[in-house]
Amino acid sequence: DIQMTQSPSSLSASLGDRVTITCQASQDINKFLNWYQHKPGKAPKLLITDASKLQTGVPSRFSGSGSGTDFTLTISGLQPDDYATYFCQQYDRLVSFGGGTKVEIK
Amino acid sequence: QVQLQESGPGLVRPSQTLSLTCTVSGDAIRIGSYYWNWIRQPAGKGLEWIGRIYTSGNTDYNSSLTSRVTISLDSSTNQFFLRLTSVTAADTAVYYCAREVFGVLPDYFDSWGPGALVTVSS
Repeated sequence: DIQMTQSPSSLSASLGDRVTITCQASQDINKFLNWYQHKPGKAPKLLITDASKLQTGVPSRFSGSGSGTDFTLTISGLQPDDYATYFCQQYDRLVSFGGGTKVEIK
Repeated sequence: QVQLQESGPGLVRPSQTLSLTCTVSGDAIRIGSYYWNWIRQPAGKGLEWIGRIYTSGNTDYNSSLTSRVTISLDSSTNQFFLRLTSVTAADTAVYYCAREVFGVLPDYFDSWGPGALVTVSS
């Protein structure tokens, strides 16, 4: 099975900060990685597919990069609505998720 | 707009079998390029994929759970099911059902249920 290691598990950031979250796969997954935003009591929201493709309606301050085993989600200019948990998900071989990153207010 | 809703007992005794149902509305479960998945999240931990089923009945499971898990579906009732045997406290979690779009890349989860807390305790 493919293991996804996500870091950090939590971070504190201020409004306007640039936030970077990383996800590392235990083997090459090409670009087959998605990023989601998850808020308590709500369904996870798909942000990015194929490592870097922003979904329609997702603000451009979100971006994704990487391929192979190392991937990054960046939020450029943190907004109040961005405080949430973010997780990565690979779909190269079956499905597995990163452990999640909780973004909290500093 | 498809909607998913988990249902089942919130408390299961150790060594017993956990059974959950996901009821799908707004779309026919037997139509389209979708996998129907079960995912869980223990308190304070990340998401763990349990497994999925296709409309044909083909299934895939997480290798760490494959000896204990069965996923099935009933297209006549537009439901799919999770059965997890020999549960322990480690199986306590919020269980989600979710629809996975596949066929033309990328694959992704586009719909989730609200989640159902299942506690394993005597």
